[in-house]
Amino acid sequence: QVQLQESGPGLVKPSETLSLTCSVSGDSIFNYHWTWIRQPPGKGLEWIGYVHYSGSTNYNPSLKSRVTISLDTSKNQFSLSLSSVTAADTALYYCASSLDHLFDYWGQGALVTVSS
Amino acid sequence: EILMTQSPATLSVSPGERATLSCRASQSVSSNLAWYQQKPGQAPRLLIYGASTRATGIPARFSGSGSGTDFTLTISSLQSEDFAVYYCQQYNNWPPYTFGQGTKLEI
Repeated sequence: QVQLQESGPGLVKPSETLSLTCSVSGDSIFNYHWTWIRQPPGKGLEWIGYVHYSGSTNYNPSLKSRVTISLDTSKNQFSLSLSSVTAADTALYYCASSLDHLFDYWGQGALVTVSS
Repeated sequence: EILMTQSPATLSVSPGERATLSCRASQSVSSNLAWYQQKPGQAPRLLIYGASTRATGIPARFSGSGSGTDFTLTISSLQSEDFAVYYCQQYNNWPPYTFGQGTKLEI
């Protein structure tokens, strides 16, 4: 069973870059698409994008200009970088594994607040 | 982008009763529709995929139906642990994968 754990700063200043890492254990990092999903406080879910071990990525068009998701197979980790953040980017950020377009394993989430 | 609309926003039911939750897509998603359950303070959990197939370990009281644009999640006899927020997600036309805004199931 896949286990995921997010890590990174909980507070980011406006206009700066949000960076989170997800550590993967329990299964091969080569078996899934590795995904980031976010949830603003009290709101619904927004898919951010994914990375595959092949190097392919796919991003939400609404965030594409600001997002980079990368994979480090040697560390069994993948990362999210979101640039030029505003208060609207304040959310609980989840990492998840995706197989056949479904999100079957999730981390516990990392709350990131954008504030000066 | 496909817009997913869930109704009602909140559904009040009693334990033992049946709950019916709806999800509508702005255009056909065929049967490429999943349902997730999210309890307070927890990550979402996959319940249903392919509109009607239960994920591993999901009790039989959860069932999904529909195709095209209209979908239903039915919980046949509510247990206390079923009170949560439920989201639908389409994976027919992506990027992006899109979710509904959620239905809160409360006592």
